[in-house]
Amino acid sequence: DGGITQSPKYLFRKEGQNVTLSCEQNLNHDAMYWYRQDPGQGLRLIYYSQIVNDFQKGDIAEGYSVSREKKESFPLTVTSAQKNPTAFYLCASSVRQVPTYEQYFGPGTRLTVT
Amino acid sequence: KNQVEQSPQSLIILEGKNCTLQCNYTVSPFSNLRWYKQDTGRGPVSLTIMTFSENTKSNGRYTATLDADTKQSSLHITASQLSDSASYICVVSTGGYGNKLVFGAGTILRVKS
Repeated sequence: DGGITQSPKYLFRKEGQNVTLSCEQNLNHDAMYWYRQDPGQGLRLIYYSQIVNDFQKGDIAEGYSVSREKKESFPLTVTSAQKNPTAFYLCASSVRQVPTYEQYFGPGTRLTVT
Repeated sequence: KNQVEQSPQSLIILEGKNCTLQCNYTVSPFSNLRWYKQDTGRGPVSLTIMTFSENTKSNGRYTATLDADTKQSSLHITASQLSDSASYICVVSTGGYGNKLVFGAGTILRVKS
């Protein structure tokens, strides 16, 4: 069963705590991405990775960190430095990071910080 | 500034009716334009992708059009079904190094019986 999995679906944390969101893909894609979705706004890119052991900041990287130790995995850590962490987080992957390749999205993780 | 604007913000139609969603963009350079369908609480799923030279692309009851001169796109849904209730997102790829995607805020469609 191929695709992108994100876990957990819902996550609750207290303010000041770091939290890590999981993203795994078995599509053999080189490129992976993390997006944040807020109500009434378009998706915004947090981080992306074109290849293992390499990643780049997106438009809103402050307060987030990532790692890409394996091709299949691209976890996102939301740190206590992120001012407004409550959001819907989407992970995506594509064969390569070029325009002709489609990005496939995971089911998302809804993070609530109180 | 690269922007994608969608209208209307939300729409309610009766099952079986047609509807058209609009997308205007100011993105440069332009590589391609995609329409995604996103069910509530789920990830977006691609419906169509069009490059600069394509005017129309269909996927079942979904037909997307692109006018690269006016920088406008539309998504037409024919004979709507209850399962069409979702958010429809227009996404423009800038191409080039970085391949940045610029996302619209989406149009929320509700199909009523």
